[in-house]
This record gives sequence, structure tokens and C-alpha cells, in this order.
Amino acid sequence: AQTVTQSQPEMSVQEAETVTLSCTYDTSESNYYLFWYKQPPSRQMILVIRQEAYKQQNATENRFSVNFQKAAKSFSLKISDSQLGDTAMYFCAFMMKTSGSRLTFGEGTQLTVNP
Amino acid sequence: GAVVSQHPSRVICKSGTSVKIECRSLDFQATTMFWYRQFPKQSLMLMATSNEGSKATYEQGVEKDKFLINHASLTLSTLTVTSAHPEDSSFYICSARDKGAFPNSPLHFGNGTRLTVT
Repeated sequence: AQTVTQSQPEMSVQEAETVTLSCTYDTSESNYYLFWYKQPPSRQMILVIRQEAYKQQNATENRFSVNFQKAAKSFSLKISDSQLGDTAMYFCAFMMKTSGSRLTFGEGTQLTVNP
Repeated sequence: GAVVSQHPSRVICKSGTSVKIECRSLDFQATTMFWYRQFPKQSLMLMATSNEGSKATYEQGVEKDKFLINHASLTLSTLTVTSAHPEDSSFYICSARDKGAFPNSPLHFGNGTRLTVT
């Protein structure tokens, strides 16, 4: 079974600064996908960024980027120029290529951006 | 973008009654939908996978007879919490996979339903 671990229950950062959220996972599979989802107070799940395991290049979406270390099974999220609207719960998620879109989520990290 | 509508957003019911939650894909067809449960400040736990026209696949520990799932069309899946008890109070979220999208494309999530059983 796959597991996803987020070791930081809470993080805080000053507006305009950079913060990194950690995520590790455990799997014996070689073909999979990794995601970061954001859940603001509205509880709506929003996809932040997606990484395909077979791609060595780290995914980037505007202010969001990942550091994907496949051998170490690590998938951290870096948020640059943090904004107040980034305040949310962030979930790391794993999906096997053969799972039919079944997601396994980590415990989540509550990020607070302070003005 | 693809929209998933979940209804109701909030529901309060009395212990022993049943509650139905709907998950609709508004602008795409969803062969597969997923139902999650989320406790306060915790992660999303997958309850079951709903496939159009077939029986749902439940995760270990989830009571099939308590959480009835029906996926009768390509745009609608329902979760019925039967004989609800206070411990069933939680936040329930659905997600859907676009039939026309590449396999393992990101899922589309509903806005969730907060169920309170008194």
C-alpha cells in the first residue's frame, strides 16, 4: 500500500517570503503521479501542481514549484512571494498510474501567511 | 473548466434518519466518481469508488450497508448515509474523473457537504 507523509502540521510565513512544505511517500511502484492540492477555508479542493514520476524536470506553476527527488521519495512544494490568499491547508497526494485515478492523501499542512 | 456540483452543502438530520448527498458533473461525463470523508483538520479519507452502471468499490472498514452509493448515470453519483448517528457527522467530498480526459488526469472536486447528525 502507498503512504504519504507530511511531517509539518502547521507552517507560517510572512507575506512576500518563500516557504517550503515537505512531503514524503512510500511506494514500490515506478509509474505514478504526485499532486499538491490546496484547501482554503471554503473547503474547496484546488489543484496546485502535478508531477509525473517519469519526468525528471521539476514541475512549476507560476509561484509554485516542486522539488521532486524520486530516489528519496520526496516531493516538496515551494511557494515563492507568498500571498495572503495562499493561506490554506495543503495536501500532498499520490496516484498510481494503474489506480484509475485513486488518490492517497497526506495528513496535510496548515499554512498561514501573515501580513 | 470542469465543474462538479455537490448538494446539499450543509445538512442537519436527526439520529436514525437517512440523508442523500448528490454529486453531479455539470459539463463533462464521469465514468468514475470518488467519495471521501474528512474530519476537522484532518486529511481526506477515501470511502469508495463509484463506477457508472456497476457496484461501488468500498475501502476497507467502510460499511457498505451504511453508506449506499449509486452511480446510475454518467453525470450523477449519490451517497446515502442510512440510519445516521452522531458519529457519522463529518464533511463529505466527492470527486469525478472526466471520461474524455487522459487517464490519471487531475480529478475535479465538489465543494463538499457538511453533515451534522443530532
